Amino acid sequence: AQTVTQSQPEMSVQEAETVTLSCTYDTSESDYYLFWYKQPPSRQMILVIRQEAYKQQNATENRFSVNFQKAAKSFSLKISDSQLGDAAMYFCALGGNYGQNFVFGPGTRLSVLP
Amino acid sequence: DSGVTQTPKHLITATGQRVTLRCSPRSGDLSVYWYQQSLDQGLQFLIQYYNGEERAKGNILERFSAQQFPDLHSELNLSSLELGDSALYFCASSVDVNEQFFGPGTRLTVL
Repeated sequence: AQTVTQSQPEMSVQEAETVTLSCTYDTSESDYYLFWYKQPPSRQMILVIRQEAYKQQNATENRFSVNFQKAAKSFSLKISDSQLGDAAMYFCALGGNYGQNFVFGPGTRLSVLP
Repeated sequence: DSGVTQTPKHLITATGQRVTLRCSPRSGDLSVYWYQQSLDQGLQFLIQYYNGEERAKGNILERFSAQQFPDLHSELNLSSLELGDSALYFCASSVDVNEQFFGPGTRLTVL
């Protein structure tokens, strides 16, 4: 079975600083995808970034980047220049090659301090 | 706006009742997923449909059922409702079966 672990239930960061959210996973598949989703107080689920396991290069989307360590099964999210609007729950997710077995981690609640 | 629509936004009902939640995927998306999120909890995958057929099943109770229609919209039916079924129910859709786009959710309250 596929599992996703987020060991930090809550984190905080000062505005304009950088924060890293941790995620580890386990899967027996060789082909899979990893995602970070953001859920602000509105409860809307927003895709932040995705990473294909077969790609060695770490994905980047503006201020958001990942550190993908395939051998260690680690997929952390770095948020640079944190903004107040980044405050949200962040979920790490793992999906199989055909979208099956999509599993979410328990989430990390990020607070951004002014 | 993800392009995925869900109705109704809110639903209040009593224990023992039956409700239907509706989801319209993004134009062109063949896959529809249903998730349950209880208060301050993560997302529990319930079920996935792909082009009208059930593709994967998660922790879906026997009291719950879903289907995807020829126009690709999907419905999640919840019956014999219990207090513990109160939650936010999300629908998501995808075209390449890996990147899911979520609807705004239906908040179900069972009294």
